[in-house]
Amino acid sequence: GAVVSQHPSRVICKSGTSVKIECRSLDFQATTMFWYRQFPKQSLMLMATSNEGSKATYEQGVEKDKFLINHASLTLSTLTVTSAHPEDSSFYICSATLTRISGNEQFFGPGTRLTVL
Amino acid sequence: DQQVKQNSPSLSVQEGRISILNCDYTNSMFDYFLWYKKYPAEGPTFLISISSIKDKNEDGRFTVFLNKSAKHLSLHIVPSQPGDSAVYFCAAFFQGGSEKLVFGKGTKLTVNP
Repeated sequence: GAVVSQHPSRVICKSGTSVKIECRSLDFQATTMFWYRQFPKQSLMLMATSNEGSKATYEQGVEKDKFLINHASLTLSTLTVTSAHPEDSSFYICSATLTRISGNEQFFGPGTRLTVL
Repeated sequence: DQQVKQNSPSLSVQEGRISILNCDYTNSMFDYFLWYKKYPAEGPTFLISISSIKDKNEDGRFTVFLNKSAKHLSLHIVPSQPGDSAVYFCAAFFQGGSEKLVFGKGTKLTVNP
């Protein structure tokens, strides 16, 4: 099956620093990737849609200047949390869309646990 | 405004019995529904899906039922196994749209040996 990886799996950083999270589709090309965020005991919340070669589309309430998304190639999207603060601590998950003749399917990465001290 | 609702935050069943996880949705535009299983600190893994043109889809121990008129779907796991213990998310989207998945809050299933 299709595999999506994320790096790093967990990161601890100091308040005010920036953190970059990578999402890669390992065995397929994905023109569209999605970034989600999950708070404890809450649902996955879509943050933004990442489109290869164009600007990301952010969901309402998500600060585009704080959460920078770059989809530089068909297999890589990056999420940079700029000037991170403790309230940004969360579990960040990406997904990539595999396009099939029978229909598209999303595959999820394993997630990245961000802790901001 | 929650478009996908899983009203039971947790469910506990005995091994070998049936687990029934419920999900309700409000957006009538949704025409494709999925169930994901998630372990702590891991990404969700796909379990089973159903298109709105069907009312049932079965895959091994997992069966999803869709009641469009009630805007309700359920996931049945039978027989339940301890390894099924996880959080189960219901998700929905509109195939003619942007493929943005809308998730419920999840139900934590515990299968007791």
